[in-house]
Amino acid sequence: GAGVSQSPSNKVTEKGKDVELRCDPISGHTALYWYRQSLGQGLEFLIYFQGNSAPDKSGLPSDRFSAERTGGSVSTLTIQRTQQEDSAVYLCASSLAPGAGGSSYNEQFFGPGTRLTVL
Amino acid sequence: GDSVTQMEGPVTLSEEAFLTINCTYTATGYPSLFWYVQYPGEGLQLLLKATKADDKGSNKGFEATYRKETTSFHLEKGSVQVSDSAVYFCALSAWGGGFKTIFGAGTRLFVKA
Repeated sequence: GAGVSQSPSNKVTEKGKDVELRCDPISGHTALYWYRQSLGQGLEFLIYFQGNSAPDKSGLPSDRFSAERTGGSVSTLTIQRTQQEDSAVYLCASSLAPGAGGSSYNEQFFGPGTRLTVL
Repeated sequence: GDSVTQMEGPVTLSEEAFLTINCTYTATGYPSLFWYVQYPGEGLQLLLKATKADDKGSNKGFEATYRKETTSFHLEKGSVQVSDSAVYFCALSAWGGGFKTIFGAGTRLFVKA
């Protein structure tokens, strides 16, 4: 039973380049979440997927950020034309769907994160 | 919008001291409340949760009570250990087209032997 995995674990890129971050959720978890953790700040919600659809994209900070999920499993977060302020740890979490198992909330399991550094 | 405010750290305690980390929230609905912990070099883990008023979440000697009247969910432990050194995040989750979880800024705890 593997947990949530993310790749790469570290990414260093130059300003203006595009990056793709990958998340493999726990098998059977239909809900998937992306967060950003900046130095000295808390976790910032980015986007939530239920299956392949994203009912809540309200946290994406700009149109340079996008995310997709295919097959109800793997998700990719893409940042175009990276800026230095994008430097952060990007965390992915997955859970059972809300309401599954009789609980309105299901625990989110977090991956180890991808540390992105934009030079 | 919904928000979580927790006490700033770092908090430094001696082993066996009593711990309180304050957390208050603002929510338009009726949220579930959580404490997550991030040990050095590890990912976030759920520590405890409470889903309705007056519920007490507990785990590993930590406790927190959902206080609707004061919109608070303070984390307490009677006797901390060096192994409790970590960053603690208070969070709420409420339905809004999906379960968005809002986290506080985190409180770093150092426990000295």
